[in-house]
Amino acid sequence: GNSVTQMEGPVTLSEEAFLTINCTYTATGYPSLFWYVQYPGEGLQLLLKATKADDKGSNKGFEATYRKETTSFHLEKGSVQVSDSAVYFCARPRDYKLSFGAGTTVTVRA
Amino acid sequence: ETGVTQSPTHLIKTRGQQVTLRCSSQSGHNTVSWYQQALGQGPQFIFQYYREEENGRGNFPPRFSGLQFPNYSSELNVNALELDDSALYLCASSTPGQGNGYTFGSGTRLTVV
Repeated sequence: GNSVTQMEGPVTLSEEAFLTINCTYTATGYPSLFWYVQYPGEGLQLLLKATKADDKGSNKGFEATYRKETTSFHLEKGSVQVSDSAVYFCARPRDYKLSFGAGTTVTVRA
Repeated sequence: ETGVTQSPTHLIKTRGQQVTLRCSSQSGHNTVSWYQQALGQGPQFIFQYYREEENGRGNFPPRFSGLQFPNYSSELNVNALELDDSALYLCASSTPGQGNGYTFGSGTRLTVV
């Protein structure tokens, strides 16, 4: 089965709202964890990452904390903008590849 | 530092034809991976190249093949195209080590008609 499970959405928010996207993983150890963002018509961009338990990744106002107790890496942003409208993917390395969640489409309305 | 460059950006092919997609890796990255992203789906791993050899492959048939060159650039070849091959093909470069992020290109949008 997939080693990353992600809240699928779609999620529609108003500008300045709080955003959270849930992501949980399965692993025997403590893999690095990533959030990627895909803006319309573009490829994937690394948004943030955490390489060990209790690390917090942050970028562009987004944050995610690697919590080994709940095997989670939820993405949060306190005040979204229209420009945050995109698809967000949680991912972890597995063997020699990246294993992605299904993606969450976020639409922010002005 | 240059990022990952893919070409072409868009392509239309007829069922049964062959296609070659190209990728230049980010400076300093020696590993290249290819992913297929169907519309509305997450990326699916096709294969990875390291030191010019395939060192990992996903659940794709042999008509998907690739190459890596000494400058770490790469090609993805697909023979006998099928309608279901229509997708965004993403190339990602990296250095060995699970803690390192993968840098993705903007992708090639392939449409098979």
